[in-house]
Amino acid sequence: ELKVEQNPLFLSMQEGKNYTIYCNYSTTSDRLYWYRQDPGKSLESLFVLLSNGAVKQEGRLMASLDTKARLSTLHITAAVHDLSATYFCAVQTSGTYKYIFGTGTRLKVLA
Amino acid sequence: GAGVSQSPSNKVTEKGKDVELRCDPISGHTALYWYRQSLGQGLEFLIYFQGNSAPDKSGLPSDRFSAERTGGSVSTLTIQRTQQEDSAVYLCASSSRGQGDTEAFFGQGTRLTVV
Repeated sequence: ELKVEQNPLFLSMQEGKNYTIYCNYSTTSDRLYWYRQDPGKSLESLFVLLSNGAVKQEGRLMASLDTKARLSTLHITAAVHDLSATYFCAVQTSGTYKYIFGTGTRLKVLA
Repeated sequence: GAGVSQSPSNKVTEKGKDVELRCDPISGHTALYWYRQSLGQGLEFLIYFQGNSAPDKSGLPSDRFSAERTGGSVSTLTIQRTQQEDSAVYLCASSSRGQGDTEAFFGQGTRLTVV
């Protein structure tokens, strides 16, 4: 059974700092997605990573995928308050295509 | 439609009653997913429909839960004899092909409260 773990679960950081969120998964997959969820809202797609070594960047966020290590990272550069949200990674299982979500990382950026 | 539409947005029901939650996916999307999110928790997979294939029901927590998708479009998730532990936000998502190279787009969810 595919398991997806994120760490940290909670992250409080100062504006202007850098940090990385990690997403580990337990079985082979080369399809990984990052989502953002604001409180009381639904999920918004951030990145789609479909191959080993894939790197995507949007603003202050950069996501990468290492399929050999079964690891994806979401790097935050010079955080701003607007990035405060919960971030989820999701992995698709080969052959079934359902998305299995990680536990989520609740990020709070302090002014 | 422009996005995934779910109704109702909020539902309060008495323990033991049946409820139906509706999802209208993005037009043309062949894959449809239901997830459950309890307060402050992650997303729990419930069921997945892809085109005319048999649905993947592996995430349904009990036989009180069922779902159907009519005409390859609108889906209804039914919970019979609701229990307090069924209280959660039920999220529906759709994707264009369900073949593993596109993200799923989520609706706003139905917040279910069982009292």
